[in-house]
Amino acid sequence: AQSVTQLDSQVPVFEEAPVELRCNYSSSVSVYLFWYVQYPNQGLQLLLKYLSGSTLVKGINGFEAEFNKSQTSFHLRKPSVHISDTAEYFCAVTNTSGSRLTFGEGTQLTVNP
Amino acid sequence: NAGVMQNPRHLVRRRGQEARLRCSPMKGHSHVYWYRQLPEEGLKFMVYLQKENIIDESGMPKERFSAEFPKEGPSILRIQQVVRGDSAAYFCASSRLLNTEAFFGQGTRLTVV
Repeated sequence: AQSVTQLDSQVPVFEEAPVELRCNYSSSVSVYLFWYVQYPNQGLQLLLKYLSGSTLVKGINGFEAEFNKSQTSFHLRKPSVHISDTAEYFCAVTNTSGSRLTFGEGTQLTVNP
Repeated sequence: NAGVMQNPRHLVRRRGQEARLRCSPMKGHSHVYWYRQLPEEGLKFMVYLQKENIIDESGMPKERFSAEFPKEGPSILRIQQVVRGDSAAYFCASSRLLNTEAFFGQGTRLTVV
């Protein structure tokens, strides 16, 4: 079984500031890792994913994440946020047979002017 | 190519009524997943289906909930005799193959009054 912990439920930042949303996972098997974004009353949109290869993964909207196997982390970063980045962000994991995603509880990112 | 289509977007039911939630996967996708998002929580896996088969229903409540994905037509999540605790957003996702990216619909927000 897997589990995902998002360490911050809310992250307020000012526009153009850098941001890091933290995610730790636990699993006894190899995993794939994902970050999704959810805008109010919308579905989930994939930001980026780690399947294999380079541990630094670049996604859409200027986001990137780094897979750290020794620390079992997959933190999401953006060097300069915009007001439009205000949304809920979910980290998720699946095992490599991949039939179901296990989600964290989410981090609400609020970008203030 | 239309995305994953869920309907209705909003559904209000009185306690004891039945709720039927529909999900049409993306064209060419034969894997469907249902997730439930309770208020202020992350998404929780409910069931994974392929055409005419339930593959993994380990996240489904044992009573009142059922799901199907017939040969023709959308996948249906059915909740009988709804209770207030069933109020949530229900998301459907589809993928072309196992281990490939899952695309999410915009969800059905069920309110039980």
